Amino acid sequence: DAMVIQNPRYQVTQFGKPVTLSCSQTLNHNVMYWYQQKSSQAPKLLFHYYDKDFNNEADTPDNFQSRRPNTSFCFLDIRSPGLGDAAMYLCATKIWQGETQYFGPGTRLLVL
Amino acid sequence: QKEVEQDPGPLSVPEGAIVSLNCTYSNSAFQYFMWYRQYSRKGPELLMYTYSSGNKEDGRFTAQVDKSSKYISLFIRDSQPSDSATYLCAMSSYGQNFVFGPGTRLSVLP
Repeated sequence: DAMVIQNPRYQVTQFGKPVTLSCSQTLNHNVMYWYQQKSSQAPKLLFHYYDKDFNNEADTPDNFQSRRPNTSFCFLDIRSPGLGDAAMYLCATKIWQGETQYFGPGTRLLVL
Repeated sequence: QKEVEQDPGPLSVPEGAIVSLNCTYSNSAFQYFMWYRQYSRKGPELLMYTYSSGNKEDGRFTAQVDKSSKYISLFIRDSQPSDSATYLCAMSSYGQNFVFGPGTRLSVLP
């Protein structure tokens, strides 16, 4: 089945220790998104890619970076995680002119 | 005023009840309206998708859009405990400006 896959599902890191979250998709969608979702809040958009064209939201902290080496994969790098970065991180995809986004299961990040 | 508003709940109903979930929005450019269901500690799952005003039905779920009032609704008939989740509305305008509501937490009690 075509899908959006995120690894790992749960990630524990230490304060200040870099961490990388990964997303892959078999939908062949050219748009990919990274969201941060904290408890009882709507997902907050961090970045999105139209193919390799990277778009950073204005309020995304510099501590967050992203890479998309090819259509199928996208990575979220958190350079120096703080306690406030503990959240669910969601990857989503859509086709170029489509309206609906398809989400992965998320990676829950815990910062100790 | 937030771009999309949604009552956060929690909303508790008995099994078999009809549930009404609603969102209001301020941007008249929105043309596409979606409802996502999110179970605890999982990613959002697309439930319904409608374009412009009108109704759309899919099994026990009905989505309504009233663009003149900037108001959208999701109705769940014969609600089941498995419907217990957070329901997020989302909307966009021609592939741009995709915005989520904050979500309504629903509990269906057996």
